[in-house]
Amino acid sequence: SQQGEEDPQALSIQEGENATMNCSYKTSINNLQWYRQNSGRGLVHLILIRSNEREKHSGRLRVTLDTSKKSSSLLITASRAADTASYFCATDVLSNAGGTSYGKLTFGQGTILTVHP
Amino acid sequence: NAGVTQTPKFRVLKTGQSMTLLCAQDMNHEYMYWYRQDPGMGLRLIHYSVGEGTTAKGEVPDGYNVSRLKKQNFLLGLESAAPSQTSVYFCASSYKRVYNEQFFGPGTRLTVL
Repeated sequence: SQQGEEDPQALSIQEGENATMNCSYKTSINNLQWYRQNSGRGLVHLILIRSNEREKHSGRLRVTLDTSKKSSSLLITASRAADTASYFCATDVLSNAGGTSYGKLTFGQGTILTVHP
Repeated sequence: NAGVTQTPKFRVLKTGQSMTLLCAQDMNHEYMYWYRQDPGMGLRLIHYSVGEGTTAKGEVPDGYNVSRLKKQNFLLGLESAAPSQTSVYFCASSYKRVYNEQFFGPGTRLTVL
C-alpha cells in the first residue's frame, strides 16, 4: 500500500475559490513535500515542511502538517485557471533504526485539480 | 541553466529490445533518481545514485540497470523490454540528501509493444 495517499482524487472548482488537498501517510517522516505536475510535464517542487513544523506559507500556498495524525493539507487560495494540474505529496521516511532519513521520497497518487475560468 | 534534461522524449520498442535513457543535469547535484509514473500509481522509485560511481535500488528495480559514470549523467537501461515497462520515466536530481527538494526532467514516454 502507498505511504502517501491523497484525498480527494479529483477536485473541480471555479476560479477565485480555495482548493484544499489532503495527504495521509503511514510511517514517521523527516519532512513532507508537495509537488505540482502540469499535463505532460515533469514535477515542480512547491513547498517543503519539516516534521517539527506545523504550518508553512508560500505565496497563495499554505501547508499544514499534523504528525500525530500523520496527515498534511495543501491549501491554494484564490485559485486561477493556471493552477489546473495534478498535485502530489511526497514523504521523506525515517529509517526504523536511529531515526535517520533515507533521503528518498515516496510519492502519493496525486490529486487532479481543475480550476474553471 | 538547462536544469534536468532527458533523452529521448518518446520511444516505441518491441518486446525484447534494449534501450538506454539518458538523464543529464547541470546543477552539480550529487543525488540523482529514476522514477516511473503509471496511471493511478503515482511515481515509483526505480534506482537512485548518491554520487558519481554509486547506484542503489529503489522500490521497483527489476528489469532495469543504471550507471553514473559522470556526476552530471545518470543512465537507465532496459536490457530486454517488456510490455509491463510501458510507462513515463522521470529523472530527478537534488543537491543534498536530507530536506532535499528534487528537480525533475520533462520525462520520457516509453511504449513497449
